[in-house]
Amino acid sequence: AQKITQTQPGMFVQEKEAVTLDCTYDTSDPSYGLFWYKQPSSGEMIFLIYQGSYDQQNATEGRYSLNFQKARKSANLVISASQLGDSAMYFCAMRDTHQGAQKLVFGQGTRLTINP
Amino acid sequence: KAGVTQTPRYLIKTRGQQVTLSCSPISGHRSVSWYQQTPGQGLQFLFEYFSETQRNKGNFPGRFSGRQFSNSRSEMNVSTLELGDSALYLCASSFGDPSTDTQYFGPGTRLTVL
Repeated sequence: AQKITQTQPGMFVQEKEAVTLDCTYDTSDPSYGLFWYKQPSSGEMIFLIYQGSYDQQNATEGRYSLNFQKARKSANLVISASQLGDSAMYFCAMRDTHQGAQKLVFGQGTRLTINP
Repeated sequence: KAGVTQTPRYLIKTRGQQVTLSCSPISGHRSVSWYQQTPGQGLQFLFEYFSETQRNKGNFPGRFSGRQFSNSRSEMNVSTLELGDSALYLCASSFGDPSTDTQYFGPGTRLTVL
């Protein structure tokens, strides 16, 4: 079964600094997909970035990039030049397609606080 | 393009009552998945509907049920509410291809059971 581990319950970062949020995963499937979502205090889960297991390059989306190290089974999110609006919960998730259904398996999340 | 919408946004119910939550997916999306989020258990998958059929169900009691209509809108129902059902219920929509899709979430319905 797929498993996602986020070992940082909380992180505090100064505005404009870069921040790395850790995510390790476990799966026996050769093909898989990894996602990062942001959840502000309002509750909505906002999709940030996606990495497929066969993608040759690390994914990037604006200030977000994914440091994908397949051999180490890690998919860390890097946010460059952090902003106050980046303060939120961040979830790493993996697609679980067993039984042919759409399902995401989530980690426990990291609460990121950006200090001015 | 409008995002995923969920109604109502907030609900307060008492134990033993039942509740129905609604989710309207992004236009063109045919898959709707439901998740429960609690401080103790985190985000847990409830079930997924595609083309009006339930494709998979998580490990939840039968009190939790859902359905999907021909326009892809989905509802979930919780009967005989318990205190532990207090949670944020999130729905997510996608086109329906489990191997390639990205799921997009709605704002959630926050249910409080007293």
